[in-house]
Amino acid sequence: EVQLVESGGGLVQPGGSLRLSCAASGFTFSRYWMSWVRQAPGKGLEWLANIKQDESEKYYVDSVKGRFTISRDNAQNSLYLQMNSLRAEDTAIYYCARDPRNYYGSGSYGLGFDYWGQGTLVTVSS
Amino acid sequence: DIQMTQSPSSLSASVGDRVTITCRASQSISNYLNWYQQKPGKAPKLLIYAASSLQSGVPSRLSGSGSGTDFTLTISSLQPEDFATYYCQQSHTTPWTFGQGTKVEIK
Repeated sequence: EVQLVESGGGLVQPGGSLRLSCAASGFTFSRYWMSWVRQAPGKGLEWLANIKQDESEKYYVDSVKGRFTISRDNAQNSLYLQMNSLRAEDTAIYYCARDPRNYYGSGSYGLGFDYWGQGTLVTVSS
Repeated sequence: DIQMTQSPSSLSASVGDRVTITCRASQSISNYLNWYQQKPGKAPKLLIYAASSLQSGVPSRLSGSGSGTDFTLTISSLQPEDFATYYCQQSHTTPWTFGQGTKVEIK
């Protein structure tokens, strides 16, 4: 059974840092792209970042570029999100998600986030 | 960035009704359009990927269609468990982007 379990959320002051983790099991983690998606209270979904299997490609949404860093440890079946310079508007539930691909040439298209974790709440407030 | 616009933002329907939600992309995304269902307090669930492919375990009363910029999600006969919020998402070009959501409520 595929499982994704996030951890590391909590209350942090504006300007602070937090590192989220996502523990994967039930599939060969090293074969998949992975993503982080967040949802502010009462709002819609926002994709934040994704990472290729070997970490050779990483992409970010503009709102977190330069502040957040996605990484992974395939030996530990884990995905991470280092969040720095946190702002009140970063308050949200953060989900990790598996990001399967349809490959063409040197690129790929996404096939939807087929598995999600339960989410971890990050609250940025003084 | 590719903008995704869903309509309507909300709708009220009865059990047994046929429901259609539309999603429009600001530029062509071929068929790289995915649909999710989200219930309160839960993570989203993938329903349809690549515009029309049903994710494993999703009931056949749900279907998706479209290509290019215009897409639809159809529920042929609404069931009590279908009352939720639905999101479209393009996976053609990063940043991946979501529609704003459509809340399906009980009439």
